[in-house]
Amino acid sequence: DSGVTQTPKHLITATGQRVTLRCSPRSGDLSVYWYQQSLDQGLQFLIQYYNGEERAKGNILERFSAQQFPDLHSELNLSSLELGDSALYFCASSPHPHQPQHFGDGTRLSIL
Amino acid sequence: KNEVEQSPQNLTAQEGEFITINCSYSVGISALHWLQQHPGGGIVSLFMLSSGKKKHGRLIATINIQEKHSSLHITASHPRDSAVYICAAYGSGNTGKLIFGQGTTLQVKP
Repeated sequence: DSGVTQTPKHLITATGQRVTLRCSPRSGDLSVYWYQQSLDQGLQFLIQYYNGEERAKGNILERFSAQQFPDLHSELNLSSLELGDSALYFCASSPHPHQPQHFGDGTRLSIL
Repeated sequence: KNEVEQSPQNLTAQEGEFITINCSYSVGISALHWLQQHPGGGIVSLFMLSSGKKKHGRLIATINIQEKHSSLHITASHPRDSAVYICAAYGSGNTGKLIFGQGTTLQVKP
């Protein structure tokens, strides 16, 4: 158990819909990262938050947004979903940047 | 060309064999993560290293910053080692953003 909790584990929805993925980091970790893993692209960095502030952005679509709340949990919002958004979405956390990251079990998103 | 390249992409070994997975990167990095992804999808952090060598049980990771190369070794491999092994580099900026290799799928046969 990494201590990083992601909900839900599975999500099935339709094109055009909007979903929210939730991540609770390990106790004491200030940094949260979101990654997308699709079959054809492998693991890709989406966005990072540190103590409530956005720290780095990767290949995150404009239809996607995220935030980190005062209690340090984070949410990734995906809107106007397309078939290509089907993927595993991982959240990871670390105490500070450049320290070992611990991964949640992921949310498997399927778009029908 | 990817910034982080792994080889081989696929590896089949017999139980007990010594296994090496290689990772080369073209960007300046501050550290490198080795990750293990199980068939069910979960990702486990194995090592984070910025120089030299680290050992944990039957796993050994080495890195040569000058040559921009890292290796993950598994001694006395076992079928339970079957997984995807991913190396991921921390960029030189102070963000903690990871740049991933494409992964090496390892199957260890009994």
